[in-house]
Amino acid sequence: EVQLVQSGAEVKKPGESLKISCKGSGYSFTSYWIGWVRQMPGKGLEWMGIIYPGDSDTRYSPSFQGQVTISADKSISTAYLQWSSLKASDTAMYYCARLLLPDLLQNWFDPWGQGTLVTVSS
Amino acid sequence: EIVLTQSPGTLSLSPGERATLSCRASQSVSSSYLAWYQQKPGQAPRLLIYGASSRATGIPDRFSGSGSGTDFTLTISRLEPEDFAVYYCQQYGSSRMYTFGQGTKLEIK
Repeated sequence: EVQLVQSGAEVKKPGESLKISCKGSGYSFTSYWIGWVRQMPGKGLEWMGIIYPGDSDTRYSPSFQGQVTISADKSISTAYLQWSSLKASDTAMYYCARLLLPDLLQNWFDPWGQGTLVTVSS
Repeated sequence: EIVLTQSPGTLSLSPGERATLSCRASQSVSSSYLAWYQQKPGQAPRLLIYGASSRATGIPDRFSGSGSGTDFTLTISRLEPEDFAVYYCQQYGSSRMYTFGQGTKLEIK
């Protein structure tokens, strides 16, 4: 079974750093792009960026470029989303999601991880 | 950047009725790159339809997608209680970006 399992909920203070994870299993981790999607409280879905673990090729939404860093460690089949200095406005649920088809960017997100809730509050 | 506008914002229907959800793009979208997702409260989104009209694995045949160009539709032929949720359309565009519509909430009347 293809699965993405994300790290647990985080509570942080403004200015702190954070790295959350997404571990893939049940498929060839290096052959599928993995994306990150933000969902702020009560709001819709926003695509943040995407990485190809095979060669770490990474693309960012202009809205998130420079605000977050996406990386992957293919030796442990895990993708990451990190912040160097959190803001209260980063409070949201963050989902990782694999693209359905291998290798291609032109594609759709399936499956999804269970989500990681990040709360940033002083 | 292509903007996807979903309508209506909220749709109130009863079980057994037919639901028609719309997704309109600000410029033409390749049908191959248009998808629909379902999200229930407290859950991650789930892929329903990809390539505008192909059902994802395990999706009941009461769900169907259609459309081309700038106008796409998700139809649920006969609503079951478990179908009441929020639905999002999504596209992959020429700018190599993924964009989502703002969502349609399907609620029980």
